[in-house]
Amino acid sequence: EVQLLESGGGLVKPGGSLRLSCAASGFTFSNHPMSWVRQAPGKGLEWVSAISGGGDRTYYADSVKGRFTISRDNSRNTVYLQMDSLRGEDTAVYYCAKDRILITGTTFDHWGQGTLVTVSS
Amino acid sequence: AIQLTQSPSSLSASVGDRVTITCRASQGIYSALGWYQQKPGKGPKLLIYDASTLESGVPSRFSGSGYGTDFTLTISSLQPEDFATYYCQQFNNFPQTFGGGTKVEIK
Repeated sequence: EVQLLESGGGLVKPGGSLRLSCAASGFTFSNHPMSWVRQAPGKGLEWVSAISGGGDRTYYADSVKGRFTISRDNSRNTVYLQMDSLRGEDTAVYYCAKDRILITGTTFDHWGQGTLVTVSS
Repeated sequence: AIQLTQSPSSLSASVGDRVTITCRASQGIYSALGWYQQKPGKGPKLLIYDASTLESGVPSRFSGSGYGTDFTLTISSLQPEDFATYYCQQFNNFPQTFGGGTKVEIK
């Protein structure tokens, strides 16, 4: 059974940093691209970032480019999202999602339960 | 970025009703579209990929159609567990984008 477990969310002040982790199990992690998608309270879904299976290709939404960094450790079956220079508009539940196929940037067939990031002074 | 416009933003329907949700892309995306269902406090669930292919395990009352800029998600006979919010997503190019969502409520 595929499982994605996010952690690392919490309350942080504007301008601060946070690192999210997503521990994966139940599939061959190193083959699959992974993404982060966020959802502000009461709002819709926003794709944030994606990384290829090997970690050599990364992609970002314009809203986070230059502030967030996606990475992965295939030996630990974990994908990360380093978030720097955080702003109030980054407040959201952050979901880790697995690409359905072995091409970066398609549909997501499994999602984690999400971790809440709150940016507030 | 490609904009996806979903309509309606919400609807009220009864068990057994046929429900149709539309998603319009701001430019052609071939069949690079997915549909998701989300219930409160949960991550989304993939229903349809490549515009019309049913994800494994998803009931056959769900179907998708469309190509280019206009797409449709249809629930042929609404069941109690289908009351949720539905999102379309395009993956023709980065950045991937989602529609604004359609909330399906009980009439």
